[in-house]
Amino acid sequence: EVQLVQSGGGLVQPGGSLRLSCAASGFIFSDHQMDWVRQGPGKGLEWVGRIRKRVNGYSAEYAASVKGRFTISREDSKSSLFLQMNSLENEDTAVYYCARVRNGDYYIDLWGQGTLVTVSS
Amino acid sequence: DIQLTQSPSFLSASVGDRVTITCRASQGISTDLAWLQQKPGKAPKLLIYAASTLQSGVPSRFSGSASGTEFTLTISSLQPEDFATYYCRQRNSYPVTFGGGTKVEIK
Repeated sequence: EVQLVQSGGGLVQPGGSLRLSCAASGFIFSDHQMDWVRQGPGKGLEWVGRIRKRVNGYSAEYAASVKGRFTISREDSKSSLFLQMNSLENEDTAVYYCARVRNGDYYIDLWGQGTLVTVSS
Repeated sequence: DIQLTQSPSFLSASVGDRVTITCRASQGISTDLAWLQQKPGKAPKLLIYAASTLQSGVPSRFSGSASGTEFTLTISSLQPEDFATYYCRQRNSYPVTFGGGTKVEIK
């Protein structure tokens, strides 16, 4: 089955760190760019960032709101995507989704189930 | 950054109604726009991409169109399973941005 299964998340204090994981199966993970998207409680969707493929040097793009604090990485040998979140703020509280970027047209066509991150003291 | 302004933010409609949602981009994005549907507690789902192309498996009652920087999602005959929140999303340039969402509720 083609799917993305997320893990990690939970409660963390402001200033703390957390790492989210996303395990891909049913498709060739290394062939795709991957995104992270988040959704604050009762809010809309916000793009967090993207990591490109090996051929593009695994380069990444980030939203201004997380740049310098969040790092996206991937381990193609394990079909896994990661989001390292440092210096967390209350405003980072959200459900975080990993997502597959479709080759050719760069639209997201597959989403993980989402994982909740709560930043609170 | 490219801003996407969706309207309305909320609409109440009945089963069988024709529904139209608009997304206006702050600058030209060609047809680099997608429409997504999200139900409570679930991940979004791709409905339409490239402004007007129906994603595989999506019912034909959904359609999209574009005119300049204005994009429209139309549901020709609203079904019970269509009550959800709809978002537009542009992939023309970084950062990728989403519209604020349109919640479609039962009248």
